Amino acid sequence: AQKVTQAQTEISVVEKEDVTLDCVYETRDTTYYLFWYKQPPSGELVFLIRRNSFDEQNEISGRYSWNFQKSTSSFNFTITASQVVDSAVYFCALSEQTGANNLFFGTGTRLTVIP
Amino acid sequence: DTEVTQTPKHLVMGMTNKKSLKCEQHMGHRAMYWYKQKAKKPPELMFVYSYEKLSINESVPSRFSPECPNSSLLNLHLHALQPEDSALYLCASSQEGVPGTSLADQYFGPGTRLTVT
Repeated sequence: AQKVTQAQTEISVVEKEDVTLDCVYETRDTTYYLFWYKQPPSGELVFLIRRNSFDEQNEISGRYSWNFQKSTSSFNFTITASQVVDSAVYFCALSEQTGANNLFFGTGTRLTVIP
Repeated sequence: DTEVTQTPKHLVMGMTNKKSLKCEQHMGHRAMYWYKQKAKKPPELMFVYSYEKLSINESVPSRFSPECPNSSLLNLHLHALQPEDSALYLCASSQEGVPGTSLADQYFGPGTRLTVT
């Protein structure tokens, strides 16, 4: 069965600091997909990124970057120069090739950026 | 336009009431989803509709009854709920595309915060 672990329940950083959110996953499928979603206090889940299991290339999008390492089953998310608007709960999620409609979420990390 | 709308934003209902949650998208997506999210927990999948047909029901109690009248609309009918059903109910949609492509990425609405008294 699949499993997504976000060991950091809550993180607080001061504005402009860099912060890394950890995500470790387990799956028996050889083909799977990993996601990060942001949930601000308004409640809406905002799609940030998808990574396919066969694509280990890291990605950078503005202040956001993602480090996917199959060897350690990790898909970590770094925010550079954090801003107050980054305060939210961040979820890492996994879907498997079999049952690809089913997003299985980790427990989330609540990030607070202090001005 | 990557917007999924949900109404109402907040709903308070008694255990004997019947109410409905509504979700709408105009992105031409053919798959629509209901998720339930309890406080400080991750979202959990309840139902999936694909081309207006129920394709996944994650063993949800019958007091929750989904309906997909057309490809743009998804309803969740509520009847005889319990206080433990209080949660944020999230709707999402996606194309019915090849998994691992942007066509299969799910986009979420803002949710309906439900309180059962």
